[in-house]
Amino acid sequence: GEDVEQSLFLSVREGDSSVINCTYTDSSSTYLYWYKQEPGAGLQLLTYIFSNMDMKQDQRLTVLLNKKDKHLSLRIADTQTGDSAIYFCAETILTGRRALTFGSGTRLQVQP
Amino acid sequence: EAGVVQSPRYKIIEKKQPVAFWCNPISGHNTLYWYRQNLGQGPELLIRYENEEAVDDSQLPKDRFSAERLKGVDSTLKIQPAELGDSAVYLCAKETGIRNTEAFFGQGTRLTVV
Repeated sequence: GEDVEQSLFLSVREGDSSVINCTYTDSSSTYLYWYKQEPGAGLQLLTYIFSNMDMKQDQRLTVLLNKKDKHLSLRIADTQTGDSAIYFCAETILTGRRALTFGSGTRLQVQP
Repeated sequence: EAGVVQSPRYKIIEKKQPVAFWCNPISGHNTLYWYRQNLGQGPELLIRYENEEAVDDSQLPKDRFSAERLKGVDSTLKIQPAELGDSAVYLCAKETGIRNTEAFFGQGTRLTVV
């Protein structure tokens, strides 16, 4: 079955770049996502990448996909205190089972 | 993009009691999901609907959980009887985006079973 792994915690200083990493096991994954969850809130979709791409940039966010190694990363440039949250990596296969499979989340702490 | 409305936001019940959660995906989308998020973990699928039909309920504990989606819009998820281990956040999501590749989540219902 599908499995998505993330590191648990990352701490950075305000203004630095943050890089959150994710690995997945299913080579059939078609779309890979990054969601943000603030305390007591639902999940906010930040960005996603199609599996035939290796990079996507959206303002301060850069997603890198290494399909050979099944590795996904999210880089946040100029990290702000408002970026403190839990970040979830997720994947889906668009044939058959289409629900998202999530990692356990990476807690990003931004220190002033 | 209209949101996903869930109610209640919080619910505390005693074990063995029933509980129900409600979800309205607003602008009426074909695909609706219920996920459960345990503390410190990512969400896990409970059930997926295409219109009124439950097309994937393989992860739903059918001895105590049930769900329905009448008229292919609103949905309810019920637990009867609740157990201590059911304490979690229950999230509803709809598909959106140009190719329906984006899952848009509601704020969830936080259930505490005591």
